[in-house]
Amino acid sequence: ELKVEQNPLFLSMQEGKNYTIYCNYSTTSDRLYWYRQDPGKSLESLFVLLSNGAVKQEGRLMASLDTKARLSTLHITAAVHDLSATYFCTSIHGGSQGNLIFGKGTKLSVKP
Amino acid sequence: DAGVIQSPRHEVTEMGQEVTLRCKPISGHNSLFWYRQTMMRGLELLIYFNNNVPIDDSGMPEDRFSAKMPNASFSTLKIQPSEPRDSAVYFCASSFLWGEQYFGPGTRLTVT
Repeated sequence: ELKVEQNPLFLSMQEGKNYTIYCNYSTTSDRLYWYRQDPGKSLESLFVLLSNGAVKQEGRLMASLDTKARLSTLHITAAVHDLSATYFCTSIHGGSQGNLIFGKGTKLSVKP
Repeated sequence: DAGVIQSPRHEVTEMGQEVTLRCKPISGHNSLFWYRQTMMRGLELLIYFNNNVPIDDSGMPEDRFSAKMPNASFSTLKIQPSEPRDSAVYFCASSFLWGEQYFGPGTRLTVT
């Protein structure tokens, strides 16, 4: 069964701290996507990782991809309250054009 | 570009009624996806189209659900008859080839 597993599923952290969210996937695709969802809102694309070793950074968030280990990480540096949201990693269902398999999401709460 | 457009944004209906959700994808995108999100089940892919053709509808929960894409700029998801357990947020997303998906604002459906 194709799976995308994230951990942790819930993360409560203090402002200013660093943390990493992990995403393991079992699809054969080399593409990995990260999305953000604010409460009551839609999903917003954060990062598109297209190859082994890819690293993307936007502000306090940095995503990386290791296709050999089938692992992606989302690193949060010096967290701020505005980063509170649910983060999803997704991978393409191998053999099915464009069909993304979503993880359950990591609900991040950043407290002052 | 206005992004993915969904209507209505909110729908409240009684059990047994027919519900039709609408989606206009981003111009130029050739793949369209319908998702359902609930607290219990998370984000589920219901069906997706490529070049207006349904590719995978294995996520459609029952025969009460049907989806169409008569042209590249319009899709509908119909539930008939609706049941309380269909209450959820329904997202439409579109993409170009294997690229990242862009999500619409969602339709919050409540079936009483």
